[in-house]
Formats: sequence, C-alpha cells, structure tokens
Amino acid sequence: EIVMTQSPATLSVSPGERATLSCRASQRVSSKLAWYQQKPGQAPRFLIYDASTRATGIPARFSGSGSGTEFTLTISSLQSEDFAVYYCQQYNNWPLTFGGGTKVEIK
Amino acid sequence: EVQLVESGGGLVKPGGSLRLSCAASGFTFSSYSMNWVRQAPGKGLEWVSSITTSSNYIYYADSVQGRFTISRDNAKNSLYLQMNSLRAEDTAVYYCAREGSGWLNYWGQGTLVTVSS
Repeated sequence: EIVMTQSPATLSVSPGERATLSCRASQRVSSKLAWYQQKPGQAPRFLIYDASTRATGIPARFSGSGSGTEFTLTISSLQSEDFAVYYCQQYNNWPLTFGGGTKVEIK
Repeated sequence: EVQLVESGGGLVKPGGSLRLSCAASGFTFSSYSMNWVRQAPGKGLEWVSSITTSSNYIYYADSVQGRFTISRDNAKNSLYLQMNSLRAEDTAVYYCAREGSGWLNYWGQGTLVTVSS
C-alpha cells in the first residue's frame, strides 16, 4: 500500500497570503495525484487531478505541482472560503490512498 | 447536475449488518466506475471499495475485505454497499463518489453508520 504523508498538519495563514501544502508518497505515483478540499460538515470537493490540472470551476488561485513522490498544492492568495482541510490522494496503485490532511486555519 | 444521494445508515450493534444505497442522477451512471469512501468522526478519508461500470472489476480495502460487498444496478442508477460483521471501527460517514480516471470528482453528502452496543 502506498502511504501518503501530508505536511504540515496545520497551517496558519492570514487572508490574502500564500499557502503551500505538501504531500509525499511512499512510492512513486507518477503524476496520478488528486487534491480535495473539505469544510466542516460537508463532503470533500474535488480540486485537482493529474497533479496539476484544475477541475472544472476551480479558481486559478489553486495550483498543483510535482510528480513521482513529492507534490505541492499552492493557494496563491487565501480567501475566507479557502479555510478548510485539504487531502491528497494517489491513484497510481490499488488501494487508493489518501493523505492524513492539512488544516488551513486563519492566523 | 450530478447528484449522489446516500441512504441506509444508522445505529447497528457490533456483529450486525447494514446495507447502504447511493442513488445517482444527472449523468449516465452505467458509464462510470463508482466508489465508497468513509470518514470516521474527526478523522481523515479512507477509501473503502470500487466497482467498474459492468461490475467486472471490484476492489476492497484490506480493512473491509471479506465483510463488505459492493454492487451496482445500472438499470436503477444505484450503488450499494452490503456491510456484514460490523465493528466499532467501522463507525464513520460513508460517501459514495463517482470516479474519473482514478480521481473522485463527485461526492454525495454521506450517510452516518454507528456501530455500538
């Protein structure tokens, strides 16, 4: 099983600032990585696939990068609606596996 | 508009069974692989099971292998999860999700399963 490790667990950021979230895979997953956003009491929202392609309707301030084992989600200028938990997920191998999540909170 | 609506959750005793359903609408259900993902209270996301369009390929997490069975009825636009021999650690919100090509691009709102005596 591929283990996905996200860091940091919590990121404190002021509105308007940049947030950089990391995701590391225990084995190479090529670019088969997705990112999701989840707010309290809501289902996850699909953000990015193939490591860097934004899903339909996702604002350009969200960008993804990386390949192999190291990946990054960047939110260029945090808006109030962006404070949430973010998860990465690999789909290169079964079972599908998620990272433990990074909570982005207001500083 | 894509909609996924889960149902069937509730309180069940350890060792008991429950069947979850997911009603799909707004897309051609038979054209997409479907998944179940769960989230224990206050915890992260855990993939549970996946089923391809014609049910030819089915996958399970080790944690549920042999106890849970995923199935689908394309004529009824529905996905199911039969859960047997339930344990306290199966307590979670269960989401059904439509698969893209490995990613999960649409999610239902989830149904809560609580396993407790």
